[in-house]
Amino acid sequence: QKEVEQDPGPLSVPEGAIVSLNCTYSNSAFQYFMWYRQYSRKGPELLMYTYSSGNKEDGRFTAQVDKSSKYISLFIRDSQPSDSATYLCAMSENTGNQFYFGTGTSLTVIP
Amino acid sequence: SAVISQKPSRDICQRGTSLTIQCQVDSQVTMMFWYRQQPGQSLTLIATANQGSEATYESGFVIDKFPISRPNLTFSTLTVSNMSPEDSSIYLCSVAGTARTDTQYFGPGTRLTVL
Repeated sequence: QKEVEQDPGPLSVPEGAIVSLNCTYSNSAFQYFMWYRQYSRKGPELLMYTYSSGNKEDGRFTAQVDKSSKYISLFIRDSQPSDSATYLCAMSENTGNQFYFGTGTSLTVIP
Repeated sequence: SAVISQKPSRDICQRGTSLTIQCQVDSQVTMMFWYRQQPGQSLTLIATANQGSEATYESGFVIDKFPISRPNLTFSTLTVSNMSPEDSSIYLCSVAGTARTDTQYFGPGTRLTVL
């Protein structure tokens, strides 16, 4: 079993839709949870960073962590064509420890 | 966040040759990492580049194939040696431990094709 599971998609939504991206994990020691956005032919860009359980909001983006279910989500409100990218979840036990990445979900927002 | 650059951005190489990828950061960082990203797969950590000492390699990666240097706190190189087509991938460096962050930030990547 992989440490982190992420549905690769692809996911295609109309502009303005709410997007939900999800990852599940098996290691209950994970405490740090990240979402990266990667545009084609670019390196991953840190989008959201949360510690432990709960929600974190930044503009149109909300990251949610449910440690009891070992499940994390990224919600994108009012999605825009510029949100079209691959979204990778990542997690670690500690900031100095190895990061474990999902395979990424490819998102296309159609104008 | 730190500004990270990589050289070259892409290259096409012949089987059996070697390529050295450079990673430069605009500020001193504690930790630097090298990843490989193959199509449709998650990022795979190759090694942690340690300043002033030998890199720490992950399972499946060895120093003879992927020698790494880190002469100071802002620069590292990864060499892909004796390349084969299976080495075709995107190679990414990332940094952590700056004064402004405690998570990882990535460079733009080097797209390598081996013929």
